[in-house]
Amino acid sequence: KQEVTQIPAALSVPEGENLVLNCSFTDSAIYNLQWFRQDPGKGLTSLLLIQSSQREQTSGRLNASLDKSSGRSTLYIAASQPGDSATYLCAVQGTVGAQKLVFGQGTRLTINP
Amino acid sequence: DGGITQSPKYLFRKEGQNVTLSCEQNLNHDAMYWYRQDPGQGLRLIYYSQIVNDFQKGDIAEGYSVSREKKESFPLTVTSAQKNPTAFYLCASRMDSGDTQYFGPGTRLTVL
Repeated sequence: KQEVTQIPAALSVPEGENLVLNCSFTDSAIYNLQWFRQDPGKGLTSLLLIQSSQREQTSGRLNASLDKSSGRSTLYIAASQPGDSATYLCAVQGTVGAQKLVFGQGTRLTINP
Repeated sequence: DGGITQSPKYLFRKEGQNVTLSCEQNLNHDAMYWYRQDPGQGLRLIYYSQIVNDFQKGDIAEGYSVSREKKESFPLTVTSAQKNPTAFYLCASRMDSGDTQYFGPGTRLTVL
């Protein structure tokens, strides 16, 4: 059974710092991994999707990496801003036909001005 | 504007009552999903539907029911059999397997 873990549960950093969020999964046989952002009381917004054959994806100040063999993914945020404050969740899809995403518990990120 | 709408935003229910949460999408997506989110936890899949008139149980389907009579709509009923229904409910959809899922804004259900 796939399990996804995100550590730490909460992170607080000063504005302008570069930071890394971590995601680990127990079964390396995944089809893709996604990073989502969730603002308080809101739905999820997709940030990056990495296929199992890829090593990383970039969008603006965000870079997500994937190491299937070690069961790990990281989300790198450069030059953090207060507007980046949110909860970040990672989720894995096991096979191409799998309907279920397995989510981590999320990391609540606070960027202090 | 294409997207997913959920209503109501907040819902209060007395114990023993059934309530129905609405989810509508105009993205022309085939697949739709219902998730439950509890504080400090990730999302858990309740039900999903890949085509009209067909749906499958997820990990925590007990106490819930769904229907998929139209491609655009996937309502979720929380029945009185659901022991602990207070949670944040999220609806999602996607076009093809392997694509990202697009999420609605959520409904917060509180049992009084």
